[in-house]
Amino acid sequence: GDSVTQMEGPVTLSEEAFLTINCTYTATGYPSLFWYVQYPGEGLQLLLKATKADDKGSNKGFEATYRKETTSFHLEKGSVQVSDSAVYFCALSERGYSTLTFGKGTMLLVSP
Amino acid sequence: NAGVTQTPKFQVLKTGQSMTLQCAQDMNHNSMYWYRQDPGMGLRLIYYSASEGTTDKGEVPNGYNVSRLNKREFSLRLESAAPSQTSVYFCASNHPLAGGVDSTDTQYFGPGTRLTVL
Repeated sequence: GDSVTQMEGPVTLSEEAFLTINCTYTATGYPSLFWYVQYPGEGLQLLLKATKADDKGSNKGFEATYRKETTSFHLEKGSVQVSDSAVYFCALSERGYSTLTFGKGTMLLVSP
Repeated sequence: NAGVTQTPKFQVLKTGQSMTLQCAQDMNHNSMYWYRQDPGMGLRLIYYSASEGTTDKGEVPNGYNVSRLNKREFSLRLESAAPSQTSVYFCASNHPLAGGVDSTDTQYFGPGTRLTVL
């Protein structure tokens, strides 16, 4: 079955540091890939997505590129802020299906 | 436009008690979902409803039932709560096109219900 593997956290960074959160996936078909973010005490929000190979999703300074050859969708940001502290979830959805398969989440803690 | 709403926000039950978690969306979405979130486990799908009148099991359906009351509402019922059902429950909705992928397949999440079973 489908699965998503994320690096374990917490990831602790100082403000303005570079962020990478690794995500790899296993899928039987040709999935869409997503990054969701969960701020403390809230539900999940879509951060960015990519629907085909080599697509780059971007939002709020975050980027991720759909790499079919390495089955990866790593999340990056050039300069993190304290307000980016949250839990980040990588997820996939097989084409033609509406359900999401999530990774276990990676907590990011950014200190001033 | 409230998006996805869930009630209650918090609930404490004793083992064996029953309760229903309510979810409603005002985005005219066809599909709705129930997930549970546990530490170190990510989100796991309990049940989903691809369209009004249909429901299907997800990854962890045991101990739960669902009802798609109408297009807006999708409830989750615990008939006899167990401590293993202590979790945060999220409802989500979207409007996927059958066989296709576009911006409408993004799932929109509610704020969650934190349930403790003693």
